[in-house]
Amino acid sequence: QSVLTQPPSVSGAPGQRVTISCTGSSSSIGAGFDVNWYQQLPGTAPKLLIYGNTNRPSGVPDRFSASKSGTSASLAITGLQAEDEADYYCQSYDRSLSTMIFGGGTKLTVL
Amino acid sequence: EVQLLESGGDLVQPGGSLRLSCAASGFTFNNYAMSWVRQAPGKGLEWVSSISGSGDNTYHTDSVKGRFTISRDNSKNTLYLQMNSLRAEDTAVYYCAKHRGIVVVAAAKFDPWGQGTLVTVSS
Repeated sequence: QSVLTQPPSVSGAPGQRVTISCTGSSSSIGAGFDVNWYQQLPGTAPKLLIYGNTNRPSGVPDRFSASKSGTSASLAITGLQAEDEADYYCQSYDRSLSTMIFGGGTKLTVL
Repeated sequence: EVQLLESGGDLVQPGGSLRLSCAASGFTFNNYAMSWVRQAPGKGLEWVSSISGSGDNTYHTDSVKGRFTISRDNSKNTLYLQMNSLRAEDTAVYYCAKHRGIVVVAAAKFDPWGQGTLVTVSS
């Protein structure tokens, strides 16, 4: 059971918009700790997608955006493309556990 | 270009030991904290250990405390993970990852990641 809760799967047709939620607690996201997002394409290592809640590293398309509010964060992908099919993970910190934490991951299927 | 190349993964019996290495290139290694993150087969990501750029400060997740030790040799641009008393539940792909700065911050971003090395603990 992950400390950050993500839906196991989401799906959307090409061109559509999908969102992936990441729900934490008052000791993690709600305590003000940053949320980072990673994309893991099949058979590859994770790649940083969003850092510091809302920032995109250079090279990441602006189709990817994220937000944070209260004890939750959200990743949005617009103009869905086949190559977006991957697993997505949120990451933060929990001060009660004194550990870095990941969400359980969300598998995005492009229909 | 920043590159991280892990090695050392293998099949080991329960109770055995293994040392993983991560060779870094393309950046000033001692200026950056580093971490190990693992992924069990078909499962999600789990942070394992982190170390500051100087090597003075180390952190481990509770499930590996007393069994795993993270270290680094800045003269060789190499990160290590010494794994002792291995258990079946330690079976995973182990990734090394670079931090943004020299100290380990709470919600550190990992960028980039190596390709991973597989550790299998089984009799």
